[in-house]
Amino acid sequence: QKEVEQNSGPLSVPEGAIASLNCTYSDRVSQSFFWYRQYSGKSPELIMSIYSNGDKEDGRFTAQLNKASQYVSLLIRDSQPSDSATYLCAGDENSGYSTLTFGKGTMLLVSP
Amino acid sequence: DTEVTQTPKHLVMGMTNKKSLKCEQHMGHRAMYWYKQKAKKPPELMFVYSYEKLSINESVPSRFSPECPNSSLLNLHLHALQPEDSALYLCASSRGQGGADTQYFGPGTRLTVL
Repeated sequence: QKEVEQNSGPLSVPEGAIASLNCTYSDRVSQSFFWYRQYSGKSPELIMSIYSNGDKEDGRFTAQLNKASQYVSLLIRDSQPSDSATYLCAGDENSGYSTLTFGKGTMLLVSP
Repeated sequence: DTEVTQTPKHLVMGMTNKKSLKCEQHMGHRAMYWYKQKAKKPPELMFVYSYEKLSINESVPSRFSPECPNSSLLNLHLHALQPEDSALYLCASSRGQGGADTQYFGPGTRLTVL
């Protein structure tokens, strides 16, 4: 069983809509969570990190963590075509240095 | 500043060549990572250096040889690669000092093995 699960998509939303990306995880990676955005052919770029239960907002992005349900999500408000990318969810055990466990990634397509 | 640099951006090599990938960071991070990423797959961890010591080697073939000359530099030496080794090679770094730690990725080296 994989330890971080994501729907590979694609998730298609119209411009201006809210995009909701979801991720579930197993106990072993249940400490810190990260969302990376990756454009085709480019490297992953950190969008959000979240460590505690609840919501964390940064501009148009909101990360949500529910440790009881082992669920982490990323909401993108007012989606733009430039948000079209693959979003990687990753969990970390917080064991000294980072040891990320990645999900497969969800492709988001925002249509004008 | 969260910049990790990698050179070269692109590399084409034959199966008998020897080449090296370089990674550098000046954020004072003490953990550095090499990943391999194939198309439409997540990054796959190859090596982790913590305080310049190799901490994780994810059963990577010996044709890949990592080196950490100092806390800012990370090299990946390549020798006798196979065409299936063609991929995007990513370097990352993190504080590596315990607790919540965040990895920052470099732009990657696109490697093609002919």
